[in-house]
Amino acid sequence: GAVVSQHPSRVICKSGTSVKIECRSLDFQATTMFWYRQFPKKSLMLMATSNEGSKATYEQGVEKDKFLINHASLTLSTLTVTSAHPEDSSFYICSASFSEGHSPLHFGNGTRLTVT
Amino acid sequence: AQSVTQLGSHVSVSEGALVLLRCNYSSSVPPYLFWYVQYPNQGLQLLLKYTTGATLVKGINGFEAEFKKSETSFHLTKPSAHMSDAAEYFCAVMAKAAGNKLTFGGGTRVLVKP
Repeated sequence: GAVVSQHPSRVICKSGTSVKIECRSLDFQATTMFWYRQFPKKSLMLMATSNEGSKATYEQGVEKDKFLINHASLTLSTLTVTSAHPEDSSFYICSASFSEGHSPLHFGNGTRLTVT
Repeated sequence: AQSVTQLGSHVSVSEGALVLLRCNYSSSVPPYLFWYVQYPNQGLQLLLKYTTGATLVKGINGFEAEFKKSETSFHLTKPSAHMSDAAEYFCAVMAKAAGNKLTFGGGTRVLVKP
């Protein structure tokens, strides 16, 4: 079964509103979670690395004030898209790592965000 | 720095035929290498990974990949394609020095013809 749960799977919001996406590790404690964005027919782009109890590390070019990441516990990280605009419409995927090294093995099923 | 190149954004195979997806990587340190599969509107599922040891790695669903350091390649193969193999496949590289971050290739969409 799924070891990383991502919610919601789909969300439609109006321009200017904020949307929160949750990523939960179900059977393990995830000290590190990763947030990716995937454009249609494109690969995954790492947005940020979320570390439990500390600030997220954002990749170059990603607006940290627009994409707020919180990793308040070892099983939950959230991504909030603030003041969303149509260009923020995308597929957002989280992944979680339960051990040092060897990758974030477990991915959530993604969230399809549509901003109208 | 690390990067991944997947040759061919689309591959079409007949059911029962060999599936070959090409992946070349660039890494300044010994890499960890991965293949993931993505079905429409879903996350990624790990097919297999290479970390150390045996260079021929077997994964789920009959897939395997061989790490060739001299060629900086990690091609994915399956002897006999099944209709259920139609999906998007991503090769990825990670260097521990990069903070366990995965860098993905551009992806290859596999179409299986009956």
